[in-house]
Amino acid sequence: EPEVTQTPSHQVTQMGQEVILRCVPISNHLYFYWYRQILGQKVEFLVSFYNNEISEKSEIFDDQFSVERPDGSNFTLKIRSTKLEDSAMYFCASRGASGGAGEQFFGPGTRLTVL
Amino acid sequence: AQSVSQHNHHVILSEAASLELGCNYSYGGTVNLFWYVQYPGQHLQLLLKYFSGDPLVKGIKGFEAEFIKSKFSFNLRKPSVQWSDTAEYFCAVTSSSGSARQLTFGSGTQLTVLP
Repeated sequence: EPEVTQTPSHQVTQMGQEVILRCVPISNHLYFYWYRQILGQKVEFLVSFYNNEISEKSEIFDDQFSVERPDGSNFTLKIRSTKLEDSAMYFCASRGASGGAGEQFFGPGTRLTVL
Repeated sequence: AQSVSQHNHHVILSEAASLELGCNYSYGGTVNLFWYVQYPGQHLQLLLKYFSGDPLVKGIKGFEAEFIKSKFSFNLRKPSVQWSDTAEYFCAVTSSSGSARQLTFGSGTQLTVLP
């Protein structure tokens, strides 16, 4: 069964450093998402991506964040200068092209720890 | 803006007990509703979804949920839980319009089933 994969599973970084979180969505999916979950809090939407551009973003997704689909298979989330409050679990998800009724499939997540 | 409330943060049941987890949402338009489950150490998986039609939807592993539009509710039920149902359960909503269809999650309910 196809699945969404994410690397690394755990990333530790120093405050102010850049990090890139990687995701490989399901191959025939067209809609891609990043969510995050700070420990003890809700899963929050960050950004959605379709047709090589951002389709929606939340207020969390400020200028420090960017997304890219560099090669037609990977989908990356970059945080330019990490802050302590960026420590969270980051989930990638993808959805097929079945209109709006398609299910979002989630990856296992990357735990980001900012020291 | 959409919001989702899950009133039970932690539910503890014995095997064979019946389960009902509450979910209420707030949104002015037509919504699609989901329950996701996260087993220990695993990624979010879809249990069931409601888009239209019969308000009583059946999902995997014997779970079902009922959409009550007048109450803005989408409660999850299972007549007889098993130890293997121990997991965190998330209710989520998305607008049925627009292409991005990002999910808004509730805070989750941790279910512990005692053998």
